[in-house]
Amino acid sequence: GQQVMQIPQYQHVQEGEDFTTYCNSSTTLSNIQWYKQRPGGHPVFLIQLVKSGEVKKQKRLTFQFGEAKKNSSLHITATQTTDVGTYFCAAYNFNKFYFGSGTKLNVKP
Amino acid sequence: DTGVSQNPRHKITKRGQNVTFRCDPISEHNRLYWYRQTLGQGPEFLTYFQNEAQLEKSRLLSDRFSAERPKGSFSTLEIQRTEQGDSAMYLCASSLGRLRGTGPGYEQYFGPGTRLTVT
Repeated sequence: GQQVMQIPQYQHVQEGEDFTTYCNSSTTLSNIQWYKQRPGGHPVFLIQLVKSGEVKKQKRLTFQFGEAKKNSSLHITATQTTDVGTYFCAAYNFNKFYFGSGTKLNVKP
Repeated sequence: DTGVSQNPRHKITKRGQNVTFRCDPISEHNRLYWYRQTLGQGPEFLTYFQNEAQLEKSRLLSDRFSAERPKGSFSTLEIQRTEQGDSAMYLCASSLGRLRGTGPGYEQYFGPGTRLTVT
C-alpha cells in the first residue's frame, strides 16, 4: 500500500537556526498536505501542495513539492520556540490520507 | 465552539469490553475521517465518510471495529472485545468536499481525540 517516509525523526536546533523535514514516496502523489501537532495537541493543517514543482511560503515556512510529485519538504527559517512540535506530511490517494511518521522539532532558546 | 468535538476525551476499559466514541464534526463539513495515533507515530487512517456513506475502510481494521454516521452528521466508532493493542489516541477529522483552488485534496480539521487505555 501507499507509504510515506519522513526524515529526520527528530531535530534539535538552537533558536534562530533553520530546520528542514523531508517527505518521500515511492509512488506519484496527487497532492500532499502538511500538518503541525504541538505536544499534547491534535494535528493542525498548514498547507496543501498540488502542482509539480510547487513552492508555497507562509512567513518563515517554505513548502516544496517535487517535480516528480514523489517528495516534498518543509523548511523553517530562523526557528523560534513557538515552532516546537511534530510536523507531519500527509499524502492523499483514493479517498485516504497516508501520514508520515513525523519529524519532532525541539527548539532550544 | 464551532470546531470538531470528540467524546469522551479519555476512556479506560478492561480487555474484552466494548467501547464507543463519538465525533461531532464542523456542521457544514460533509466529509469525516477516523484515525488512530500511537505514541511517536503519525495518524493512521481507519475509515472515511462522505455524508452518511462510508466510502473507505482500512484493511488494517479488524471486524471488531465499526463506524457509523447516521444522517451525515455526528459519527460513532465502536470497538468490540477490546484488546490491549487497541490502546491509542482515536482522532476524528472533518472537511469540506473541496478546497478552494485547483486540484484534489481536502483540508482536515481534527478534534482533540479520545485517548483509549485498555487494561
